Amino acid sequence: NAGVTQTPKFQVLKTGQSMTLQCAQDMNHEYMSWYRQDPGMGLRLIHYSVGAGITDQGEVPNGYNVSRSTTEDFPLRLLSAAPSQTSVYFCASRSPGLAGGGTGELFFGEGSRLTVL
Amino acid sequence: AQSVTQLDSHVSVSEGTPVLLRCNYSSSYSPSLFWYVQHPNKGLQLLLKYTSAATLVKGINGFEAEFKKSETSFHLTKPSAHMSDAAEYFCVVSDQLTGGGNKLTFGTGTQLKVEL
Repeated sequence: NAGVTQTPKFQVLKTGQSMTLQCAQDMNHEYMSWYRQDPGMGLRLIHYSVGAGITDQGEVPNGYNVSRSTTEDFPLRLLSAAPSQTSVYFCASRSPGLAGGGTGELFFGEGSRLTVL
Repeated sequence: AQSVTQLDSHVSVSEGTPVLLRCNYSSSYSPSLFWYVQHPNKGLQLLLKYTSAATLVKGINGFEAEFKKSETSFHLTKPSAHMSDAAEYFCVVSDQLTGGGNKLTFGTGTQLKVEL
């Protein structure tokens, strides 16, 4: 059981370039999300999806695009990379919460480290 | 609006001594609370969660946390630190949104260092 798989693990871009970070999960979770992690700021939500065909913005969506054509895949697109997008990106899926049991558990990928020059 | 405050950005302990990582939260409703651990160059992994059942929650690797509503705290403890506990720890609060769904808020993290 692979869980959540992110590719690539490392990427260097020049300002203005575009790229896609891939995320796939094999747990049949409806909910998937993208976070960025910056020193001293915890994790901030970029975009999320509650199921195939449904996406919504998180806290810091500007400069990023997502789509969800299947339950398994949730790619994150950087439209025109900027140095401010240098960060570590995490994809996470979430198990459904049990009735009366609150929010389900997040399962994270190992991260994609992006540097924009 | 919900928020999470991790009171220490860095904690250093000696191997075999107790660990205390502090977390305070604010929430409008009855929240779910989590602790996640992140080892270097890895994703986050769930340590434990509180979801309105027992206020003392036991997690993996000997960690536990106590939900104290009167103090709005959810501190993480372990009786005896091990070198392998060195990592970054995140406290997370989850609130239900009025329109349905949940909003997760992450603390800024506490880096735990374990010394010989």
